[in-house]
Amino acid sequence: LAKTTQPISMDSYEGQEVNITCSHNNIATNDYITWYQQFPSQGPRFIIQGYKTKVTNEVASLFIPADRKSSTLSLPRVSLSDTAVYYCLVTKDHTGTASKLTFGTGTRLQVTL
Amino acid sequence: DAGVTQSPTHLIKTRGQQVTLRCSPKSGHDTVSWYQQALGQGPQFIFQYYEEEERQRGNFPDRFSGHQFPNYSSELNVNALLLGDSALYLCASSLRVGEYYEQYFGPGTRLTVT
Repeated sequence: LAKTTQPISMDSYEGQEVNITCSHNNIATNDYITWYQQFPSQGPRFIIQGYKTKVTNEVASLFIPADRKSSTLSLPRVSLSDTAVYYCLVTKDHTGTASKLTFGTGTRLQVTL
Repeated sequence: DAGVTQSPTHLIKTRGQQVTLRCSPKSGHDTVSWYQQALGQGPQFIFQYYEEEERQRGNFPDRFSGHQFPNYSSELNVNALLLGDSALYLCASSLRVGEYYEQYFGPGTRLTVT
């Protein structure tokens, strides 16, 4: 699986839009990009997944350029409760290995007033 | 639906001892994976169970073993505990839904080895 690189930490004020970029230069044709959120002493929680272009759900948007070598997680109008670690993962498609997840160290987002 | 549940919440063991952690998957999920998360690090894949057999394994020694029961619940066993085994142990259950795997993590078991 392609290795991912993302910033170690980011700071934001409440109400701002936060964009976290992840690079995955060696992503394979059948790989997906998936983002998880983790609060302290809790398990990771799925946020969003995409293959190309743009995906949006009630929590976030995921932008993936045509070359798919990077992706950007966009969190609109963050609040204090969005303070967490965000992980960018490259995952396989619907094969049996798809449910094995490879986490990096993630991006620690700190939201303040 | 209770989601993924794990027990115990916290555990303190001594070096050399053995420990068993338990996981009940989300209702309907047939696959259980275990992860180890050291402080400040991302979760690391230990192994995965499907149909009561180990389907995949990460880079962990044989001291780490597991089991899946017919009701899909699972246990993680760690023998000869080392100080470095201190971590948050996460269980994740998953189910294939179309082209994707619906996967949920439990809250974890915090293991401290002294």
